[in-house]
Amino acid sequence: KAGVTQTPRYLIKTRGQQVTLSCSPISGHRSVSWYQQTPGQGLQFLFEYFSETQRNKGNFPGRFSGRQFSNSRSEMNVSTLELGDSALYLCASSLTGGDRYEQYFGPGTRLTVT
Amino acid sequence: GEDVEQSLFLSVREGDSSVINCTYTDSSSTYLYWYKQEPGAGLQLLTYIFSNMDMKQDQRLTVLLNKKDKHLSLRIADTQTGDSAIYFCAEKGGGSYIPTFGRGTSLIVHP
Repeated sequence: KAGVTQTPRYLIKTRGQQVTLSCSPISGHRSVSWYQQTPGQGLQFLFEYFSETQRNKGNFPGRFSGRQFSNSRSEMNVSTLELGDSALYLCASSLTGGDRYEQYFGPGTRLTVT
Repeated sequence: GEDVEQSLFLSVREGDSSVINCTYTDSSSTYLYWYKQEPGAGLQLLTYIFSNMDMKQDQRLTVLLNKKDKHLSLRIADTQTGDSAIYFCAEKGGGSYIPTFGRGTSLIVHP
């Protein structure tokens, strides 16, 4: 069974631009969560999608948004990029989400904002 | 907000046991997790424990929870060089599906 895939793996953008990251979960998994990892703030939860609906959202500004498609693939978008958005963005999938779940992470997308 | 604290580094000799500690502040935490991150890789969920449990064992891994002191530990028996990684502790409070992560403990295993 293929694991969680994230594209692209590396990305360089300029301040003010927008970016879209993609995550394909493990086949059959319906929950996709997104996390941001930075040296300064550590690991922070962005949002979780389940069956095309946003189920939970972390404490991030509205510039961060996401969506999930009917095939469970998910995208996250960051508009008006700031230097502080440079981070490793991790996606995780699980069968149904929730507390008691096996969560599998992708390798991440490394975003650099210049 | 809620906080999760971990020491930054731990160095052990191959074959010894490693104990990584974590403290948290949310008294309503219901689930506590340990993740592993190897260089250049994403996170791997190692194990989790419910707040009504004191201990959970899974092969070389033992998780101990002291709910009164809000202290969580991960013991790795017979530590190998392949265990070298950053280990993150995380918790979820009652009613919240948003996890709070510690800053990670970098485990260095030397021969």
